[in-house]
Amino acid sequence: AQKITQTQPGMFVQEKEAVTLDCTYDTSDPSYGLFWYKQPSSGEMIFLIYQGSYDQQNATEGRYSLNFQKARKSANLVISASQLGDSAMYFCAMREDNTDKLIFGTGTRLQVFP
Amino acid sequence: KAGVTQTPRYLIKTRGQQVTLSCSPISGHRSVSWYQQTPGQGLQFLFEYFSETQRNKGNFPGRFSGRQFSNSRSEMNVSTLELGDSALYLCASSLALQQETQYFGPGTRLLVL
Repeated sequence: AQKITQTQPGMFVQEKEAVTLDCTYDTSDPSYGLFWYKQPSSGEMIFLIYQGSYDQQNATEGRYSLNFQKARKSANLVISASQLGDSAMYFCAMREDNTDKLIFGTGTRLQVFP
Repeated sequence: KAGVTQTPRYLIKTRGQQVTLSCSPISGHRSVSWYQQTPGQGLQFLFEYFSETQRNKGNFPGRFSGRQFSNSRSEMNVSTLELGDSALYLCASSLALQQETQYFGPGTRLLVL
């Protein structure tokens, strides 16, 4: 069965440092997509980055990069040069082939301190 | 370009009532999905619509229903509200199926008393 696991309920990082948020997934579908979203206290889900299962290179979007290790079924999010505004909940999600349905992990609460 | 809009943003209802939530996707987007977020259950998939057709439905009771109109706007309805239906209801849209981005709206916070 499809499953997303985020084992870090909370993470702390100092401003300007890099942080890695872990995500592992389980699927038997060879074609799938992996997403990371940020959810500030306002509630809106903000799209950060996407990785397709057949993409050869790790995805990057500005300060966000996705460390995709297909054999280990992991899709960790790396945030470089953390900013105070990065404090939020972060969700990893997976979409299998032929559907737009997203399966979400339980999230990681990131707190950036000065 | 305007983002995904959801109305109303906040709603208070009492048990037994029904509620209708609305989602307007980004202009040109044809795929709309709905999610329920609660502290206990996290984010759970409700429905997926594309071109007015429901493609998938999550594991929710029949009190939860939805539809999509020809202009891609979508509504979801919850009848006979229960206390456990209190949640943040999120809508997401994408241009077509299997896109690299799905954009979420701000959500509707429903409180059932």
